[in-house]
Amino acid sequence: EVQLVESGGGLVQPGRSLRLSCAASGFTFDDYAMHWVRQTPGKGLEWVSAITWNSGTMIYADSVKGRFTISRDNAKNSLYLQMNSLRTEDTALYYCVKDNGPAQYYYGMDVWGPGTTVTVSS
Amino acid sequence: DIQMTQSPSSVSASVGDRVTITCRASQDISSWLAWYQQKPGKAPKLLIYAASILQSGVPSRFSGSGSGTDFTLTINSLQPEDFATYYCQQANSFPPLTFGRGTKVEIK
Repeated sequence: EVQLVESGGGLVQPGRSLRLSCAASGFTFDDYAMHWVRQTPGKGLEWVSAITWNSGTMIYADSVKGRFTISRDNAKNSLYLQMNSLRTEDTALYYCVKDNGPAQYYYGMDVWGPGTTVTVSS
Repeated sequence: DIQMTQSPSSVSASVGDRVTITCRASQDISSWLAWYQQKPGKAPKLLIYAASILQSGVPSRFSGSGSGTDFTLTINSLQPEDFATYYCQQANSFPPLTFGRGTKVEIK
C-alpha cells in the first residue's frame, strides 16, 4: 500500500524551530518529486515547498522562503521540512505529498499523508 | 503569482444530478490544471490532472475540460460519496503552485 506518514508537529513559540518528517512506503520513493502543502480554515490549501527526485532543485512559496528548508533522504525513504523563525501565520495542518512525476510538477499530487498539525503560539 | 478563482463557492445538489464547477486562472496555464476532492477530516485526493486526464481508480462520472484560463470539473450522476469540497490547482507556472479556494458540494 502506498503510504505517507508525517510526524514532528506540535505546539511551538513564535521564533522557534520545528522539523517535520515524512516516512514513505509502498512506492519507489526516489522516482518521484515530493511536496509539503499546508491547510488552514482561513486560507485553504497552500503549497509550501517541493523537491525533485534527486534533490537537484528545491522551490518554496515566498511566505516561507529563507525560513523553511525541504530535504529528502532517498536511502531512508524520508522527506523533511526544517521550519525556522516560525510565525503565528505558519499555524496549519501540514501534508506530505507525492508528486505524480519525478521533477516537472505538471501532473498533480497523487498521494497525500494524513497531515501533522503545527501550532505556533506564545 | 497565478490566482485561481473557483465558482461557485458552494452548490446544493441531489443524488443523480449533474454538477459543474468552474476554475479560472489569472493567466494562461495551458492544460496544466489538476482537480482534487477533499472530504471532512481527510486529505485531498487527486481526481484529474492535465485538465482532462482521469487519475487511476477515479470513477468515470468525473470529467475535466478546458485550456488556457477556463476549466471545468463535471460530476455526472452525483453519488452520495461525492459530497465533498473540490479544489483546482495550477501547475504551469511555479513557484508557487497555487490552489483555488474550493467549491463545497452539499446535499440539497
